[in-house]
Amino acid sequence: QKEVEQDPGPLSVPEGAIVSLNCTYSNSAFQYFMWYRQYSRKGPELLMYTYSSGNKEDGRFTAQVDKSSKYISLFIRDSQPSDSATYLCAMSAARTLTFGKGTMLLVSP
Amino acid sequence: NAGVTQTPKFRILKIGQSMTLQCTQDMNHNYMYWYRQDPGMGLKLIYYSVGAGITDKGEVPNGYNVSRSTTEDFPLRLELAAPSQTSVYFCASTWGGRDEKLFFGSGTQLSVL
Repeated sequence: QKEVEQDPGPLSVPEGAIVSLNCTYSNSAFQYFMWYRQYSRKGPELLMYTYSSGNKEDGRFTAQVDKSSKYISLFIRDSQPSDSATYLCAMSAARTLTFGKGTMLLVSP
Repeated sequence: NAGVTQTPKFRILKIGQSMTLQCTQDMNHNYMYWYRQDPGMGLKLIYYSVGAGITDKGEVPNGYNVSRSTTEDFPLRLELAAPSQTSVYFCASTWGGRDEKLFFGSGTQLSVL
């Protein structure tokens, strides 16, 4: 079993839809959980950062962590064409991050 | 404030050639990282550094070398380029410690033919 599993997509939705992106992991030592957004031909940029279980909201984005199930999610409300990108989950136990493979999201007008 | 700057943006190498990918950051970050990203494969850590003079191997270090003589710079060296090193390379930095909010450069697209 890989340390971090993420469905590569692509996930296609119409503008205004609610999007759910997910990752599962196997390493119980992971304590910090992040979501990065990567536009085509650009470097990843941090979108959400959470520590421990629970929810964190920032505008249209909500990050959810369930450490008991080793499952994290990113919800995007009222999705926009500008949200079209690859979303990478990442998690950390110490000095380095382990990334998922990324989910490509396409939001059509 | 430029953030993390990578050069060059694109490069084509012949098998066996050598090159250095440059990375510099102006945020006074202690931790710096080199990742490679292959299509559909996510980001794989090559090397990282927790401060000047200190480097450590990541998940895929074979065929690469690094040095960290200053806080700002973290170059990545390819000694004998191989087709398997065709990839997009990203440099990243962070304050370190428990702060894992990485700031990434815009990447170097490398092709080895």
